Amino acid sequence: DTEVTQTPKHLVMGMTNKKSLKCEQHMGHRAMYWYKQKAKKPPELMFVYSYEKLSINESVPSRFSPECPNSSLLNLHLHALQPEDSALYLCASSQAQGQNNQPQHFGDGTRLSIL
Amino acid sequence: EDQVTQSPEALRLQEGESSSLNCSYTVSGLRGLFWYRQDPGKGPEFLFTLYSAGEEKEKERLKATLTKKESFLHITAPKPEDSATYLCAVAHSSASKIIFGSGTRLSIRP
Repeated sequence: DTEVTQTPKHLVMGMTNKKSLKCEQHMGHRAMYWYKQKAKKPPELMFVYSYEKLSINESVPSRFSPECPNSSLLNLHLHALQPEDSALYLCASSQAQGQNNQPQHFGDGTRLSIL
Repeated sequence: EDQVTQSPEALRLQEGESSSLNCSYTVSGLRGLFWYRQDPGKGPEFLFTLYSAGEEKEKERLKATLTKKESFLHITAPKPEDSATYLCAVAHSSASKIIFGSGTRLSIRP
């Protein structure tokens, strides 16, 4: 079982809906990440939070809005998404972003489908 | 340009047929190389971290090795349950994010 928990596992939404993806870890990690993964492709980094502050935004469209309420939780708020945003959204955590030689641990993702 | 390349793209083996997956990298200042296993519809599962040339790590039928230019994931006497996509990723000194290779899809036939 993964130590990074993501909910929901599956999400279908229309282009006008607003929804949120949630991620939780209890490993004491201080860096948390959002990735997007398309079929047969590696994960693509979207956002990095380090000590609850946004440290990296990989030029992600504003229809994706991340939030880190505390050191264990990470949210991704979705609004007005496009069909091309359909993908597996992965959350990961690691000990600290500055120590990028530490492995990231991934959740099982949310499979998002945009109608 | 920093780059991570995995080969082959796909590999089909018979059960018990040992083989190796390759991950070659060109980065400045390697800080760590990671191997992950990913099953369909799941997140990547961490397998190994390698930090310096000559280092080796083992777990069950898997053994990871590292040189200054590449890493190998050796699979000895694989079983059908070893079928998955294997990803390598590299952390380096000039960036705070890791670079993923495109993965090797491994299929083991009974």
